[in-house]
Amino acid sequence: DAKTTQPTSMDCAEGRAANLPCNHSTISGNEYVYWYRQIHSQGPQYIIHGLKNNETNEMASLIITEDRKSSTLILPHATLRDTAVYYCIVSLIQGAQKLVFGQGTRLTINP
Amino acid sequence: NAGVTQTPKFRILKIGQSMTLQCTQDMNHNYMYWYRQDPGMGLKLIYYSVGAGITDKGEVPNGYNVSRSTTEDFPLRLELAAPSQTSVYFCASRDTGTGIQNIQYFGAGTRLSVL
Repeated sequence: DAKTTQPTSMDCAEGRAANLPCNHSTISGNEYVYWYRQIHSQGPQYIIHGLKNNETNEMASLIITEDRKSSTLILPHATLRDTAVYYCIVSLIQGAQKLVFGQGTRLTINP
Repeated sequence: NAGVTQTPKFRILKIGQSMTLQCTQDMNHNYMYWYRQDPGMGLKLIYYSVGAGITDKGEVPNGYNVSRSTTEDFPLRLELAAPSQTSVYFCASRDTGTGIQNIQYFGAGTRLSVL
């Protein structure tokens, strides 16, 4: 079973920031939070990951709470191409890294 | 860059037939993975490999076999296809080591129907 909880679906207006929450209350100290997305049944695409500090890259920002029990993925200026299913996954960064995908959040960007 | 390449893209099998799903990567990654995704669900890990000659079971290995004779290739074998194996299959690869991102790169998938 997935070790994360996400809302089933969300909507966001084009050009606005999309904030996707994730709960991972049982995360262990050495597990990272990963975000992947899947656009229209394509293969999943990596977005960002972090351990405890906030992270930012060219795609998104990741905000992790101080107790590490939840996080938020932020797409700062959502476009129609960001419509996808977003998966929040906790995993060790080393070793087998057997990712456990839940059902994710279906994000729809509306024009 | 090709990345992770899966063939075929689509396939229809009859019950009891066998087939091999091909996966190859050109990134010299040591880890490779096979996942399946049923409609409306997340991906489930079937098998993975940590390098040539080494494979291990994932969450849902029954009905499948794998081999890893080279770093580049990781084929998935279905011996006696069953309707329950109707799914979309994704292959992934990952590099490991310090100073790199340690993320998985996925192929475009193989859509398999067993009738």
